[in-house]
Amino acid sequence: GAGVSQSPSNKVTEKGKDVELRCDPISGHTALYWYRQSLGQGLEFLIYFQGNSAPDKSGLPSDRFSAERTGGSVSTLTIQRTQQEDSAVYLCASSLLAGPVPGELFFGEGSRLTVL
Amino acid sequence: AQSVTQPDIHITVSEGASLELRCNYSYGATPYLFWYVQSPGQGLQLLLKYFSGDTLVQGIKGFEAEFKRSQSSFNLRKPSVHWSDAAEYFCAVGVGGANNLFFGTGTRLTVIP
Repeated sequence: GAGVSQSPSNKVTEKGKDVELRCDPISGHTALYWYRQSLGQGLEFLIYFQGNSAPDKSGLPSDRFSAERTGGSVSTLTIQRTQQEDSAVYLCASSLLAGPVPGELFFGEGSRLTVL
Repeated sequence: AQSVTQPDIHITVSEGASLELRCNYSYGATPYLFWYVQSPGQGLQLLLKYFSGDTLVQGIKGFEAEFKRSQSSFNLRKPSVHWSDAAEYFCAVGVGGANNLFFGTGTRLTVIP
């Protein structure tokens, strides 16, 4: 596609349920990022994928959070046993360049998660 | 550790007035610096970036930013604001060899007629 695509755009779930958020990056972009945007908190880095390398999971807030990237393209962020503090907008971004010089990140419109 | 500070949470300016959004970073070496804009309901879009060279960089939509090493700042400016500039603005710093960008908490810009 022309841009980074995320789904669902909105998700309302009950506390304790699992959710999956999907990201389809720009074709050919080897780097993929997940960020979390909470009100007044800015963007919080969650996880980074680059090609076939092991992902950088240093930003995941707890073991309830996990992500995978299949075939070097589509990524899924999974949140297990959701808590109210997980409510936020989850942003995905992809980049053509990765390595010594950070490349421009292209962001999707985000998935807004509300945990009741 | 790297960090980015945007001291202004919310700024209101009149249309046609000049604008300056502040950004300060903390990092030992020369960072890679970015400004992104997020319009309501949309993803973040890159306005401009600084990697090296000329410390005054030009971006899209008439924005510019100046890297001042002595002040650890990378302030965003625009000489004349348009109503369509109303959005949230994020400053970010990247580090060579690292995998992610560190973002500030953002500055929300309101433009009044």
